This record gives sequence, structure tokens and C-alpha cells, in this order.
Amino acid sequence: SAVISQKPSRDICQRGTSLTIQCQVDSQVTMMFWYRQQPGQSLTLIATANQGSEATYESGFVIDKFPISRPNLTFSTLTVSNMSPEDSSIYLCSVVLPHERVPDTQYFGPGTRLTVL
Amino acid sequence: LAKTTQPISMDSYEGQEVNITCSHNNIATNDYITWYQQFPSQGPRFIIQGYKTKVTNEVASLFIPADRKSSTLSLPRVSLSDTAVYYCLVGLNTGNQFYFGTGTSLTVIP
Repeated sequence: SAVISQKPSRDICQRGTSLTIQCQVDSQVTMMFWYRQQPGQSLTLIATANQGSEATYESGFVIDKFPISRPNLTFSTLTVSNMSPEDSSIYLCSVVLPHERVPDTQYFGPGTRLTVL
Repeated sequence: LAKTTQPISMDSYEGQEVNITCSHNNIATNDYITWYQQFPSQGPRFIIQGYKTKVTNEVASLFIPADRKSSTLSLPRVSLSDTAVYYCLVGLNTGNQFYFGTGTSLTVIP
């Protein structure tokens, strides 16, 4: 398994500002994902962030709005730019461990609860 | 697109067995089927994974028919602490697009 931490755990921000969310893993991973989950809803994949390559964004999400960095195998950041109240959500990162006995398994961070006023 | 379909909600009394079925008609040959549990204000947590037939671990069983177009998560003797949302997911490692479906909100009643 993996221990994943996210910072901040929650934040309240003003519209038009940006917030950078950090995701730290206690082991080296290649596959890392960023999700958004609105209250009472399912998870929506924002992008896949693999080390050494540009992030791959899902339909409806663009790099200018959600820039992602992946400087090494244990860390990634997601920035929510020029925020509006519609960006209020929980943002989660997840990882897939290499050589995992149970393939395809994702381990999730605790999430960052963002409220935009 | 590895789309999944599940019932939106289910209720069960404590001590009963609960079966949650997921449809995944577009599952690819190399796809595994993975189930997650999510409590409020937490990230999803892995429950069980399978490829075909039956898999059992200490918390659940997973039944997968031969055509693999569906799967059933079985929770034996549920307790109040099993109240959560349960998601099935396919298609992660095969390059297919994958996404979490609506999930099934299970409420265990005393």
C-alpha cells in the first residue's frame, strides 16, 4: 500500500485567485491521477500526471485552468487557476504502485476541500 | 470508454448479506475489475479486485461471470460501519479511458 498526503486539507478562497494543491507519496510511483469530486457526486478524472511527461487532461479540463507539475516520482501539484464558485469541490490525488500484487489498484489521498467565495 | 453502471442506492439491515452489481459491457480483455469504498470526507479505499470467476478476501467476495460484462460485490453480514458509497472501476491499466460511475450508496439500517 501507499501513504498519500495532501496539502492543504481545506481552504476558502476568493474568486479570481489560484490555489496549488500538493500531493506527496511515501514511495516512488509512475502513475498519478488528479480527480475532482463535487458534494454528493462521483469522482471525475481531471488528468493523469506521469513523471517525465506532460500531464494528459480529460475532456473538459485544460492545462491553463488546471496546470499540473510532476517534478519527481513522489510528488505532484495541481493548481486551480482563476477560481470561480463553480470550482468549489474536493480535489483528490491517487497513485498506482509499480509491481503491485493487485494491479490497477489506486491509492487515494484524503482530499482537499476547496470553497470559492 | 470503460463505462460502468450501478444502482444508485441500496438499503440493508444489519447482519444481512448485500450484493451490489456493476455492469461493464465494454470491458477489455486485459481489464481488471476493482471495487472501492468511500466514506464521507475520505478518499476511496480499495476493497477487492478480480479478473474472472470468484475472488474472496477478508471483507468481501467478487463474482464475475464468464463474459465479464458484469460483476457482483458481495458483503457478508453488513454492519452500520459498512454504510458508504461503493464504486466499481475497470480499464485503468490497459490504456482505455476509465471513469468512476455513479457508485452505489449503501445504507445499513439497525
